[in-house]
Amino acid sequence: AQKVTQAQTEISVVEKEDVTLDCVYETRDTTYYLFWYKQPPSGELVFLIRRNSFDEQNEISGRYSWNFQKSTSSFNFTITASQVVDSAVYFCALSEWGGSEKLVFGKGTKLTVNP
Amino acid sequence: KAGVTQTPRYLIKTRGQQVTLSCSPISGHRSVSWYQQTPGQGLQFLFEYFSETQRNKGNFPGRFSGRQFSNSRSEMNVSTLELGDSALYLCASSLVTGGQETQYFGPGTRLLVL
Repeated sequence: AQKVTQAQTEISVVEKEDVTLDCVYETRDTTYYLFWYKQPPSGELVFLIRRNSFDEQNEISGRYSWNFQKSTSSFNFTITASQVVDSAVYFCALSEWGGSEKLVFGKGTKLTVNP
Repeated sequence: KAGVTQTPRYLIKTRGQQVTLSCSPISGHRSVSWYQQTPGQGLQFLFEYFSETQRNKGNFPGRFSGRQFSNSRSEMNVSTLELGDSALYLCASSLVTGGQETQYFGPGTRLLVL
């Protein structure tokens, strides 16, 4: 069965601090996809990043970076130099390959960036 | 390109009534998925439609149903509403090209059941 765990329920930082959001997943598939979404107070889920299970290269995109490690089933997401506008709930999600776009979400981490 | 749109944005119903929510996907996207978000259960997958066929279904009672039209627009229906159906209902669309695609979400419909 698929499962996504975000152990951090809430994180509070001061502006310009770096913050890492943790995500651990479980799946029996060898091919799967991992995502991070952001949900601001307005409610809409905003796509941030996506990673395929066969590509463990970690990347940086602007202030966002991610660390994908298959050996520990982790897909952590880092925001560098956080800003107040980064305040939102962040969701990690898993999708298994094979005929459906179904996403399994973690419970989310609420990030508050204080000025 | 316009994003995913959902109507209505807010809805208040009473127990026992039924409700229909609508979702228009991004132009060219053929897969539409529905999710329910509640404080207690988080984000849960309801069902997915592709080419007017239900391709996958989550663990929800039969009161929850959906359909997709030939233009990829989708509707979901909840019959005999219960208080626990109060939630944010999110629709997502994706471009199906053979691999796994990224889902893009709409703003959601907030349903309150009294």
